[in-house]
Amino acid sequence: GAVVSQHPSRVICKSGTSVKIECRSLDFQATTMFWYRQFPKQSLMLMATSNEGSKATYEQGVEKDKFLINHASLTLSTLTVTSAHPEDSSFYICSAIPTMGDTQYFGPGTRLTVL
Amino acid sequence: EDQVTQSPEALRLQEGESSSLNCSYTVSGLRGLFWYRQDPGKGPEFLFTLYSAGEEKEKERLKATLTKKESFLHITAPKPEDSATYLCALSSSGSARQLTFGSGTQLTVLP
Repeated sequence: GAVVSQHPSRVICKSGTSVKIECRSLDFQATTMFWYRQFPKQSLMLMATSNEGSKATYEQGVEKDKFLINHASLTLSTLTVTSAHPEDSSFYICSAIPTMGDTQYFGPGTRLTVL
Repeated sequence: EDQVTQSPEALRLQEGESSSLNCSYTVSGLRGLFWYRQDPGKGPEFLFTLYSAGEEKEKERLKATLTKKESFLHITAPKPEDSATYLCALSSSGSARQLTFGSGTQLTVLP
């Protein structure tokens, strides 16, 4: 149980294009989902907290107009990287907490490369 | 401010050589202490949640323990497939269920 999926697992795009990443909780409902970014050999950096049916809360320094988050249902959150640039290349990971739980379950991650 | 410090940064063990990973923390009100395993190029895999001092949890060769200041992840007779980065994280009562992560311990088990 407690499986979180992400799609796509890997994406390569040209500079200036937008990329959408999906995060789904497969066997539980999640009121809250989180989006992280991870640089090589570093720990996870929280980008934003996503609550179903409301606006996401972004961490300091994260541009909300660049990283659009939508949490339209209890099992799906999406992250759209708008007008991507090479510096946006990174490993993006989502997590979800079951509605009645405390533990974050993580997705497998999405490797974004912007050329 | 909540803080999590993991040690050592890296650990190399021979297969079968038991050891422990340390996670020291400071928190205003602990909601939960979490251990995850992360393999290269993958998201963290949940291992344990601990809620109060004195609590212990086990899974195969891993055992997690918790005191008021530290958590330990004990690895008994490790195998090469236990090689990974082990992350400790905590959630505090005032954090809206966000996690504060340590920097991780990179474990290598040699055959």
